[in-house]
This record gives sequence, structure tokens and C-alpha cells, in this order.
Amino acid sequence: QVQLVQSGSELKNPGASVKVSCKASGYMFIGPSINWLRQAPGQGLEWMGWINTNTGNPTYAQGFTGRFVFSLDTSVSTAYLQISSLEAEDTAVYYCARDLHYIRFDPWGQGTLVTVSS
Amino acid sequence: QSVLTQPPSVSAAPGQKVTISCSGSSSDIGNNYVSWYQQLPGTAPKLLIYDDNKRPSGIPDRFSGSKSGTSATLGITGLQTGDEADYYCGTWDGSLTAGVFGGGTKLTVL
Repeated sequence: QVQLVQSGSELKNPGASVKVSCKASGYMFIGPSINWLRQAPGQGLEWMGWINTNTGNPTYAQGFTGRFVFSLDTSVSTAYLQISSLEAEDTAVYYCARDLHYIRFDPWGQGTLVTVSS
Repeated sequence: QSVLTQPPSVSAAPGQKVTISCSGSSSDIGNNYVSWYQQLPGTAPKLLIYDDNKRPSGIPDRFSGSKSGTSATLGITGLQTGDEADYYCGTWDGSLTAGVFGGGTKLTVL
């Protein structure tokens, strides 16, 4: 079946980096974009941006430039989110999602909890 | 502060009907398709409605979507306790060139 499987929870110190993976299966990876979203504890969904799986070109939402990097490894049908210089405010669940057409997200990964704490 | 406006919570009894509103503007809902997502406690969101009013396969017809102007509505009939979840509307904003979501609505089935 079509699914996105994300890497496991991470506990990081402030200032460190983290790389979250999102492995696709059950469909042709190259084609639909992969989007990334953040959900802080007890909060709603926040769109971080997307990566074009045809070209590898990323687009970042306002507020997610500089420390956030989207990348791909098409040979293993996997998308990545890297966050550098982690801050406590980055503590959240991060989701990847396949976009079928302008915010028609299906499926979603199961989410990766990133906790930033000393 | 979310771009789209949803009520924080709604409630109704089992078997009843509930609607959840999502208000936006001409740059988002007014000119783009709306999707709705259901997030059960402790799980990832799931696509419930897309293109304003279409249901993915496997979503029961108790769930419906509609849109008028710059507002969209999710309807749920025959409420079940298993419908207790957070519901989010989302769309594209052509002015921001960004995806935008509502703040979410918590549905309680009393």
C-alpha cells in the first residue's frame, strides 16, 4: 500500500542538528511533491514547505528559511528534513506528506517527535 | 495566528450531525480547493475531504464538504464516539504562495 514511514524520535541538545527521514513505498516516488509540516505540542498544523521530487528543488515557507533543509535520495525513495542550530522552540512533531494537488496531502508519515532540551 | 479561521471546539451527541466552519479570503479559499483532515488523538492527520467536497476511497459518506465564496464547511452525520478528533481545513494561498491551515477544531461526541 502507499505509505510514508518516518524515522524515530530524537532528543537533541540546543545547538545540535537533526535529520529526519521519510521513506516512500507503494507508488512512484518521482512525481508528486513531498511536503513537510510541523505541529508544536498542543498546537495546530504549520506548513513548512515542499520539495519537487522531479528536480530536487526545495521551497521553504516563511519562517523556515536558513536552518531548515529539504533533500532527497531518489535511489531509495526517501526525503529528508535537516534542522541545524536547534532551539527549544523547534520541539515538535514533524510530518512528511505526499501532495497530490495543492495541499491535498495523502498519505502522511506517522510523524517524528524532535525534542530539544539540555 | 492561523490564516484560516475555525471554531476551537464543537460538540454533539452520538447519532447527531455537526458542522465545522473554515473561513478565509479570496487569496486562499476563494480561489483554491479546500481539503479537510482528521487527526485522531496521538496519530498523524488523515485526508478526509479534498477538492472542496470529494471523499477519498474508504472515507464514509457520513463526511461531507462544501464551499461558498471564502468559507468552507465540513459536515459529519451519524456521529460516533470514534469521530472524536481534531479537524483541520487547509488550502493554498496564492498571495502568500504557501499552504495554509486553520487552527483546528476539537470535536467532542458527548
